[in-house]
Amino acid sequence: GAVVSQHPSRVICKSGTSVKIECRSLDFQATTMFWYRQFPKKSLMLMATSNEGSKATYEQGVEKDKFLINHASLTLSTLTVTSAHPEDSSFYICSARGLSGTYNEQFFGPGTRLTVL
Amino acid sequence: RKEVEQDPGPFNVPEGATVAFNCTYSNSASQSFFWYRQDCRKEPKLLMSVYSSGNEDGRFTAQLNRASQYISLLIRDSKLSDSATYLCVVAKAAGNKLTFGGGTRVLVKP
Repeated sequence: GAVVSQHPSRVICKSGTSVKIECRSLDFQATTMFWYRQFPKKSLMLMATSNEGSKATYEQGVEKDKFLINHASLTLSTLTVTSAHPEDSSFYICSARGLSGTYNEQFFGPGTRLTVL
Repeated sequence: RKEVEQDPGPFNVPEGATVAFNCTYSNSASQSFFWYRQDCRKEPKLLMSVYSSGNEDGRFTAQLNRASQYISLLIRDSKLSDSATYLCVVAKAAGNKLTFGGGTRVLVKP
C-alpha cells in the first residue's frame, strides 16, 4: 500500500512554455501533498504544502504565480510550472500524507525530471 | 546555519565493514527524526524512523541524542547495495513538513 505516482516521469520543453506535473496517491486518500524540488547534488527543498480543497502554502522564496498548485481531490495534486525557463530545470518530487491515523508519514512519488531548453 | 547538516562524504567503505555518520539539527522543537535513502536520480525512500531510545533494523542502527541535537546511522556488514545517499530528515511532529539534510553519500566497494 501507500503508492504515489507522478506523471510525466521526464519532460523536456522549450523556454516560455508551461508544464503540468501530476501527483496521485493510488491506494489511499491524501489530505496533504507536498511538492519538493531537487537540484543536482543538492537535497530536497520543500516548495509548497497542498491541502485538498484549499490554497497551497508556499515556502519563502517560491513564487506562487510561477508554480501553480491545485489539489482538487484527495488523490490528485498538480504542479504547473508556468513560463518555464532553463533555471527551472530540476527534479520535482511530490509526497503525500494520508488521513489522520492512516499513513501519517509521507510517501514519495518517483519524481519528474524537467529540462527546459 | 542550515536546519539539518550532514557530512556530504563520500564515505568509501569496504564491503563487509561498518560505517557510521551523524547529522545535526538546529531546531530544538523537532520531534520526529528519520533516515531516508536516495539512489541516484530516484525518489527518497524511508529507511527508518529514529526513536529516542535508539532503534535497530537488521544491519542498520539509528540513535538520537536530543541534548546534543544529533542523530546517527550505523551500517554493519556493508553490502554493495548499500551504496546510496542517506538523507537525515527532521520534522516538528509526525506528518508535518519534513526538513532534509544535504545527504551523506556512501560508496561500498568490493
